[in-house]
Formats: sequence, structure tokens, C-alpha cells
Amino acid sequence: QQQVKQSPQSLIVQKGGISIINCAYENTAFDYFPWYQQFPGKGPALLIAIRPDVSEKKEGRFTISFNKSAKQFSLHIMDSQPGDSATYFCAASYNNAGNMLTFGGGTRLMVKP
Amino acid sequence: ETGVTQTPRHLVMGMTNKKSLKCEQHLGHNAMYWYKQSAKKPLELMFVYNFKEQTENNSVPSRFSPECPNSSHLFLHLHTLQPEDSALYLCASSQGQGNNEQFFGPGTRLTVL
Repeated sequence: QQQVKQSPQSLIVQKGGISIINCAYENTAFDYFPWYQQFPGKGPALLIAIRPDVSEKKEGRFTISFNKSAKQFSLHIMDSQPGDSATYFCAASYNNAGNMLTFGGGTRLMVKP
Repeated sequence: ETGVTQTPRHLVMGMTNKKSLKCEQHLGHNAMYWYKQSAKKPLELMFVYNFKEQTENNSVPSRFSPECPNSSHLFLHLHTLQPEDSALYLCASSQGQGNNEQFFGPGTRLTVL
């Protein structure tokens, strides 16, 4: 059973637009929610992460919004650029699980010039 | 070398072959991981090692055999694989347990004929 569901599977956005990727989780024990970015031929790299004690975290053009009651979190990429074209993965873990991350299925983002 | 390196980058093997994947981290971390990335599935955690001790085996078939001789090196020994084992195998490392950032290598693209 997939514990983290990610949507959409693919996304096309015009340069300068806003990219939005959503994730929903089932396990209420999750307390750490990172987003990873993966370019072709590379491994995933941490982009931004949030813990449930805040509802939003912003780093540059990237923002995570977190809704604990709905068990959902999303990544917003403002002013999307062609260089943002990559696959994005949300993930979740809980402290009692040590360092075990459960990943969403991934979203392939293409930003058109 | 910096970060997490993996060799080989590409591997083609027959179902009766025995091969090994190698991972090395140059970050001074003490936790290492193997993940499987298939085209139509989320990233799947296979094994976790903390301080050279295996702390997680995520119901992985015995045809995959991990080895962690020290905190910097991780191997995945492969034997009698099936075509459905064809995937990108990613190694990652992190600083200890808890919700710490995992740093990924570029992966080994494995094809089983």
C-alpha cells in the first residue's frame, strides 16, 4: 500500500508560471516531509523540507505548504524556469523509523521557454 | 571524489551472472542506503546500514545481498536476477539516524537479460 500519493504524474508549465505538485499521506505518525529534485542521469537531491509544526516554508522560489488536518502537503515553484525541468519527489518519515523515507511516485515537470 | 559515488554507472547482466554494485561516500556519514528506482514505481528503500550494521531489510529477495565493510563503503551483490529487477539502483548516505538529509549517488542503471 502506497503511503504517500503524489500528483500529477507530469506537469507542463510556461516559463514564469507557477508549478504546483501535491502529496497526500496516510500515516499520521509522519513528522518530516522533504522534497527531492532529480535531473536525468543524477540521483535525487534535497530541495526543501518541512516539519508539521509550521504550515509553510519558503526558500527562494520554492515553497512547501502543509495541511496537517488534511494530511496533505504541496510544493509551489514560483516564476518557474526551464532549468527547473526535472522530476520531483515528495517523501515522508517519522522519527521512530529512524532514517526510513517513504517516497511519492514522482512528478515530471517540464517548463517551456 | 566528492559526495556519493557509484560504480559501475551501467551494467548489463544475464540471469545466471553474479555481479556487484559499489557505493562510496566521501561525506563522513555513518548511515548508508540502497534504493531501487523503477519506471513505474516510487523509489523503494531496500536496505539501511547504520554504523556498518544492517538495521533494515525491506523484504528484499535474497538474490540481492548487501555488504557494508565500513561506514564509507556499501556493496550490493547480485545473483540469479530476473528481468523485472532491471532498474536504477541508487545509493544514499546520511549523518546518523533521525530525519537527516540523505545524499544520493548518481545510480547504477541495471539491465537483466
